Amino acid sequence: DTGVSQDPRHKITKRGQNVTFRCDPISEHNRLYWYRQTLGQGPEFLTYFQNEAQLEKSRLLSDRFSAERPKGSFSTLEIQRTEQGDSAMYLCASSLRSSSVSYNEQFFGPGTRLTVL
Amino acid sequence: KQEVTQIPAALSVPEGENLVLNCSFTDSAIYNLQWFRQDPGKGLTSLLLIQSSQREQTSGRLNASLDKSSGRSTLYIAASQPGDSATYLCAAPDPNAGNMLTFGGGTRLMVKP
Repeated sequence: DTGVSQDPRHKITKRGQNVTFRCDPISEHNRLYWYRQTLGQGPEFLTYFQNEAQLEKSRLLSDRFSAERPKGSFSTLEIQRTEQGDSAMYLCASSLRSSSVSYNEQFFGPGTRLTVL
Repeated sequence: KQEVTQIPAALSVPEGENLVLNCSFTDSAIYNLQWFRQDPGKGLTSLLLIQSSQREQTSGRLNASLDKSSGRSTLYIAASQPGDSATYLCAAPDPNAGNMLTFGGGTRLMVKP
C-alpha cells in the first residue's frame, strides 16, 4: 500500500493524559499536513511541514499540541494534558511540491479518531 | 482569509437522479480546487482536482466545474447510485500558507435505492 497511513486508527484516553499519533506520508511527498475534524464539520488546518521544517501553524494549535517531522519522512502529533474538547478525527495529508509540480494535490490518510473521556 | 461554503448541507435523492453539489469561495485568487468524498468515520478520498486554467474536470460519472470569477464550483454526479452515499467536501488551497486547504462544511448525500 503506497498511500498515506496513520496509527493508531482509534485512541480512547482519559482527560489529562498525553497522546501521540503517527503519520506516514506517500514516500516521495515532501509536504505533510495535519488537520482536525469534529463531527459534522469540514476538516480544519493545524500545521504543515515541508521536508523536516514546520512552516505554518494554525491558532487552533495550542501550546498543548506539538508536531514533528524529524527526518522529513513520518510525522508525529502529540497532545499533552488532553481535554474533552480535543475529541476529534485527526487527519494527515501529503503532497508533492516541486518546480515542476505546482498543483499540490493532497492525499489523505484514514485518520485517527481520538476520544477523551 | 478564504471562506468556503457548501450548499445544500444534506441531500436525499432516489437512485438514478442526476444531481449538483455547490461550493462557493470568497478569495478567487486560487489556482486549483479539490473535491473529496468522505464515508462515515473514514478519511478523505480525492475525487477531482481542477486547476484554475481548466473550467471542467471529469472522472467517470463525476464532473466538476470551476468559475473563479464568480467564486463557484459545482460537482455534478450523473445517474446516482446508492454507493454514492457519502459526504462530499470541496476545498481551496491558500498559496500564502503552504497551500493548506480550507474546507467547506460538506454536503451529506443519501441515494435511496
